[in-house]
Amino acid sequence: QVQLQESGPGLVKPSGTLSLTCAVSGGSIGSSNWWTWVRQPPGKGQEWIGEIYHDGTTSYNPSLKSRVTISIDKSKNQFSLKLKSVTAADTAVYYCARVLTSWAFDIWGQGRMVTVAS
Amino acid sequence: QSALTQPPSASGSPGQSVTISCSGTSSDIGSYNYVSWYQQHPNKAPKLIIYEVNERPSGVPDRFSGSKSGNTASLTVSGLQAADEALYYCSSYTGINNLVFGGGTKLTVL
Repeated sequence: QVQLQESGPGLVKPSGTLSLTCAVSGGSIGSSNWWTWVRQPPGKGQEWIGEIYHDGTTSYNPSLKSRVTISIDKSKNQFSLKLKSVTAADTAVYYCARVLTSWAFDIWGQGRMVTVAS
Repeated sequence: QSALTQPPSASGSPGQSVTISCSGTSSDIGSYNYVSWYQQHPNKAPKLIIYEVNERPSGVPDRFSGSKSGNTASLTVSGLQAADEALYYCSSYTGINNLVFGGGTKLTVL
């Protein structure tokens, strides 16, 4: 079955860029699904970051849109997240997930804790 | 502060039923049938248990059910089991390509 795995630095300096990759296994990222990123700050609820379709079409949370870029690499069967100009408020567990349908996410990665600190 | 409001805790005894509410507005839950519920055990990824208000993904037992009335969605867990003890989150589409989550409800099986 399809599995997702996040990877990337666990520590990012303030004002830097957070970069994470989500590797998809057990299926093709070029299927008819959307793929998404969600984050969860410590002790808080989740926040939707954005999503990407296999053709590269993207959609972002309006509150993060100016700082976020999500891209896809079908040759590597993975998609990526870049969040620039980070602050301590961006400290969170970052999850990648597959969109089942209608804004519901049915397969999640295990999550990657990213701390923004100097 | 999360956009959707959930009670911080809920509890029930094994075999009983418990209902968790998720309060939104006319701009999200009240306008769209794109409400989902997730179960999250400690240090685990969230698991989708309900989508489109009352649909269950394959493999989710029918002890889990969802509903919506006005601006409030609800998740009911029937026949409570020890394994149901977890955090439960709701989410709703808000239009203009955005999604919001609730703050989560910790369900305790007594």
